Amino acid sequence: QTVVTQEPSFSVSPGGTVTLTCGLSSGSVSTSYYPGWYQQTPGRAPRTLIYNTKTRSSGVPDRFSGSILGTKAALTITGAQADDESDYYCVLYIGGGTSVFGGGTKLTVL
Amino acid sequence: QVQLQESGPGLVKPSETLSLTCTVSGDSISSYYWSWIRQPPGKGLEWIGYIYDSGSTGSTNYNPSLKSRLTISVDTSKNQISLRLSSVTAADTAVYYCARWRGVMRGGVFDVWGPGTMVTVSS
Repeated sequence: QTVVTQEPSFSVSPGGTVTLTCGLSSGSVSTSYYPGWYQQTPGRAPRTLIYNTKTRSSGVPDRFSGSILGTKAALTITGAQADDESDYYCVLYIGGGTSVFGGGTKLTVL
Repeated sequence: QVQLQESGPGLVKPSETLSLTCTVSGDSISSYYWSWIRQPPGKGLEWIGYIYDSGSTGSTNYNPSLKSRLTISVDTSKNQISLRLSSVTAADTAVYYCARWRGVMRGGVFDVWGPGTMVTVSS
């Protein structure tokens, strides 16, 4: 069974930079997993931020960026703002039409 | 602009079948992948499965952990996607989202989401 790992929580100061990561319980994440990142605030549906490793969804500010860092996919937020305080989920395509979500990272801006 | 709206009973009894519908507006459901994703209260997202409707045939792919209880289908005449999950337990209590998946040829993105519908399994 494929397990996608994320930091449970992270904090960043307003204006600061934070990098959230998305890994595999076994193996390395590459672009072949088509990593995607989704932002969710309480009571709302997820919002698409990044897909295909680094492609920003329409309307997403360029302070959100995606990459591969070492063996993991990464979401970097530069110049964090108060309304970036959300849950962030990554998703990996593991083949055969199957996607797996990570457990999510709760980001606090303070 | 494509919009999705989930609907169905908010309360289902244990051992019964959960049935939900996702109504698509603004585009035809043909030639797209339509996914279901759920989120138990206070927990993360779980991919349930998808259906691809080519206009003449459809193909499905399910989360292995749910496959024995799950059916996803389409009604092209109503532009709707349906989910049926049998023999439910309290562990199936969640917000259920319908989402459009663009497939790996389009970067594997879930680009349109419904607002979600809460389903509680309880007697």
